Amino acid sequence: DAGVIQSPRHEVTEMGQEVTLRCKPISGHDYLFWYRQTMMRGLELLIYFNNNVPIDDSGMPEDRFSAKMPNASFSTLKIQPSEPRDSAVYFCASREDRGAATNEKLFFGSGTQLSVL
Amino acid sequence: QKEVEQDPGPLSVPEGAIVSLNCTYSNSAFQYFMWYRQYSRKGPELLMYTYSSGNKEDGRFTAQVDKSSKYISLFIRDSQPSDSATYLCAMHKYAGNMLTFGGGTRLMVKP
Repeated sequence: DAGVIQSPRHEVTEMGQEVTLRCKPISGHDYLFWYRQTMMRGLELLIYFNNNVPIDDSGMPEDRFSAKMPNASFSTLKIQPSEPRDSAVYFCASREDRGAATNEKLFFGSGTQLSVL
Repeated sequence: QKEVEQDPGPLSVPEGAIVSLNCTYSNSAFQYFMWYRQYSRKGPELLMYTYSSGNKEDGRFTAQVDKSSKYISLFIRDSQPSDSATYLCAMHKYAGNMLTFGGGTRLMVKP
């Protein structure tokens, strides 16, 4: 398996523009997570899905952010309109549903470096 | 105050040194503890996993948990330049609970 695939790797845009980040999780993984990483705040969980259904979006900073998972192999994170403070690395991660197992082993993509000018 | 604290570093050591990386946490409900390694321009990858208190060894790496002190450590023996990365601790309270990450410590191992 190629692992979690994210696109684009880099995105530079101007304030006010719409940004769409894409993620393909590992096949067979039931959970998908969107994280944001900055120097100041570290790794923050934005939203996660289980079997394509959003479970917890309490980490989404505001209404400008939205995420979808139309099927088991694809998810998007959209920012509209984008602002300079949204500049960060956005990671997608996935994991199996291990039931009672306790190892929360996440598999991360390589991230999207977003710069909003 | 954050639930999980890590010194951001950077920590610079010579090749072959023993490295000690640490995290403190405030919530006694955390039961499961992990260390993720993140290379530059890459996503984090799971390195070590431990449950409750005690030690776990895997090659040059040893993870240690002291729940009474709310303190976890990762030791790297015979450190190599390839160990240069950011190390993030992570923990969760029960199966299915979301991970809480520390801010990460950047490690540089110089040849």
